[in-house]
This record gives sequence, C-alpha cells and structure tokens, in this order.
Amino acid sequence: DAKTTQPNSMESNEEEPVHLPCNHSTISGTDYIHWYRQLPSQGPEYVIHGLTSNVNNRMASLAIAEDRKSSTLILHRATLRDAAVYYCILRDWDSNYQLIWGAGTKLIIKP
Amino acid sequence: NAGVTQTPKFQVLKTGQSMTLQCAQDMNHEYMSWYRQDPGMGLRLIHYSVGAGITDQGEVPNGYNVSRSTTEDFPLRLLSAAPSQTSVYFCASSSPRLTNEKLFFGSGTQLSVL
Repeated sequence: DAKTTQPNSMESNEEEPVHLPCNHSTISGTDYIHWYRQLPSQGPEYVIHGLTSNVNNRMASLAIAEDRKSSTLILHRATLRDAAVYYCILRDWDSNYQLIWGAGTKLIIKP
Repeated sequence: NAGVTQTPKFQVLKTGQSMTLQCAQDMNHEYMSWYRQDPGMGLRLIHYSVGAGITDQGEVPNGYNVSRSTTEDFPLRLLSAAPSQTSVYFCASSSPRLTNEKLFFGSGTQLSVL
C-alpha cells in the first residue's frame, strides 16, 4: 500500500487559514486521497476526499498537485474546535480496505 | 441518529481473561472494521468484514477473533487478554457502494490489561 508523509505538528492562530501538507510520492492511479481528523478522546471523523481535482465542502478544501504526489488540506478559518490530529490516507477503490494510517499532524490552534 | 455504537467505553481486564467488545451500526453498511490505536500512533486495522458471513484479517489480527452474523453487528473477541492489547479500540463502518465512501467511527473502547 502507498504511504503518506505528514509533519508531526503545526501551529496556527485562530481565525486564520491553515494549510496541512501531505506527501504521497508512491500514489497509484486508483488511489483516492482521504483526510480524517480526530478530536481529543474521540473517534476519527471524515473531512474530505478527492482523486484528481480540487474539492471543497463545508469543512475544508483539498488541493491536489497536478502529479498527485502531494496534497494540501485547507481550513479556511481555523477555530479552537479545529484543534485535532489530521490524517491523510490513500484509499484504493479496488483494495481490500487495508488502510495504512500514519501518526498524522497534530494541529494546535492558538487563541 | 445512532450511527456506530461501541460498548463498553472502558474496560479493565486481567491477563488471561476473555471478553467481547461490541459494535453495532444502524446505517445498513456492508463494510465494518476494527482498529486499535496505541498512544501517539495512528490506527491499525485488526479485522474487517465486507458483509454478513464474510470476515478477513487486517494488519494486526493476532489475539483477536471476529464474526459477522448480521449486517448490524461486528463483535471483537479477545480470547486470552495480554498487556500488549492495552489500547483504544475503534469500530468503523462504511457503504462501499457509495461514491462518497467514508468511514463512520464509533467513540471507542479504552481497554487496559493488567
């Protein structure tokens, strides 16, 4: 399975945009890029996913590089409630669902 | 909406004891899975199921058994608990038939094995 690389932690000020990077240089053509986040003492929750084109939803935007070897999760206006660990995961539509979760990026929001 | 329900939320076992972690979902999802999460780590897949009567091993299956007799339930059994199984366990489900396939997670079971 293709793997992802993320920074261990990032800090941002409240109400400012946050760009969370993810490298996935061994991505295959059928791998979808998924982002989940895990708030303290909770289970992970889905944030966004995409294949080739940039994607937007009410929570965030996903910018995918043209060669698909990297992507960036964008939180447009971070709040204290966005403090969490963010996981970038590759999901093969034809895989046997063995997702490989890294340690993620711990996002710290400063008031 | 209930979503994915896990019980119990906390459990303390002695080495060698057995127990079953319960997971139920009310979204008619075909796919269900169990993960464990150790401190400061990401999730690791233990077992998964793509439908009733079908189960398969994940990344770390040793020491755990599963069964899937109904679409709704996917219990995880620890036959002889060991301290190395101290972890937080998450159950997740999804519907592979949807193009916007996303995993729904339960709130977790914190297990300590002494």
